[in-house]
Amino acid sequence: RKEVEQDPGPFNVPEGATVAFNCTYSNSASQSFFWYRQDCRKEPKLLMSVYSSGNEDGRFTAQLNRASQYISLLIRDSKLSDSATYLCVSRSGAGSYQLTFGKGTKLSVIP
Amino acid sequence: ETGVTQSPTHLIKTRGQQVTLRCSSQSGHNTVSWYQQALGQGPQFIFQYYREEENGRGNFPPRFSGLQFPNYSSELNVNALELDDSALYLCASSTRTSNTGELFFGEGSRLTVL
Repeated sequence: RKEVEQDPGPFNVPEGATVAFNCTYSNSASQSFFWYRQDCRKEPKLLMSVYSSGNEDGRFTAQLNRASQYISLLIRDSKLSDSATYLCVSRSGAGSYQLTFGKGTKLSVIP
Repeated sequence: ETGVTQSPTHLIKTRGQQVTLRCSSQSGHNTVSWYQQALGQGPQFIFQYYREEENGRGNFPPRFSGLQFPNYSSELNVNALELDDSALYLCASSTRTSNTGELFFGEGSRLTVL
């Protein structure tokens, strides 16, 4: 079993739609979680951190449920520029820079 | 741009050869990590360097090795290349004291092994 598993995708959605990505992690020692975004043939970039209380950044909302080891990302009012691969990421400790990435979910926002 | 630069951007090697990939970290960043990203997969942690020493390693064989220099730049060396080593190799830099979890990635070196 992969340590971080994501929806297989791809997701093809019209502009303005709301789309949700789900992710589960198996390592209960994981302490921190993130969503990274990777454009086609580019490097991954941090989109947002994920906190147990839930956090929002504009049209993006991230949630963490430690009990069920589940992470989500909600994108509202999708834009064409949101088209990318979204990577769910865990980190085992504050002093550790070993990030464990999911396979990624590809999102295509269609005009 | 992240300020992390990698070279070369693309290269082609044959099985059994050796390759060296280079990375210059972002100014002020003292920790460098290397990741391998195969096609259609997420990046996979290879190892991390801090103060010129390996400070964490993923599930990669010893033929993957690295160095970090006093200026915090780094090299990834892969010996006895195999076809499955074909991938995008990403270098990421960060500061030791950062708690944000943000890594700053370079654009990567795309290796093809024939």
